[in-house]
Amino acid sequence: AQSVTQLGSHVSVSEGALVLLRCNYSSSVPPYLFWYVQYPNQGLQLLLKYTSAATLVKGINGFEAEFKKSETSFHLTKPSAHMSDAAEYFCAVSVYGGSQGNLIFGKGTKLSVKP
Amino acid sequence: GAGVSQSPSNKVTEKGKDVELRCDPISGHTALYWYRQSLGQGLEFLIYFQGNSAPDKSGLPSDRFSAERTGGSVSTLTIQRTQQEDSAVYLCASSLVGDNYGYTFGSGTRLTVV
Repeated sequence: AQSVTQLGSHVSVSEGALVLLRCNYSSSVPPYLFWYVQYPNQGLQLLLKYTSAATLVKGINGFEAEFKKSETSFHLTKPSAHMSDAAEYFCAVSVYGGSQGNLIFGKGTKLSVKP
Repeated sequence: GAGVSQSPSNKVTEKGKDVELRCDPISGHTALYWYRQSLGQGLEFLIYFQGNSAPDKSGLPSDRFSAERTGGSVSTLTIQRTQQEDSAVYLCASSLVGDNYGYTFGSGTRLTVV
């Protein structure tokens, strides 16, 4: 069965510093992987996705993620944090055709950005 | 519409009352999902509709919760005899089955039971 683990429920960085949010997956088949972002009082917005093309995926707002099969990881990075990046981030793995719909979500990582 | 629409955006209700939350998915999306997000918690799956198939209700927390989807489009989540622990943000999402682009989420309904 597929699953997703996000390491760290809360990450704090200084403005301008590197952002690294960790996500590890478990899947018996080649996965599709997603990162979603949720700003305060809003729904979730798709940030980027990996669907078996390039392993380095670029998303909106300067974020990118690299699919590493050997490490079963799909960590989210951004070279320089901005105050507006403060939000909660969710990693998800596709379980197409499975129960509970097509995506399994991690528990989320809340990113704080200090001035 | 262009996105997933949820109404109301906020709902305050008294304990014991019934509430209905509405979700209008993207036109043509055959799959529709309801999630619950409590304060400080991740996404809790509630129910999944796919076309004309029987919905997957495995995430509904109690028999006070029910949902229907009429005509393969609009969905209503009903909570009967609301309790304070039902207070949460209820998120709806839709997708094309087999779509590798993930879900499109609505902005949610914030339910407060007093």
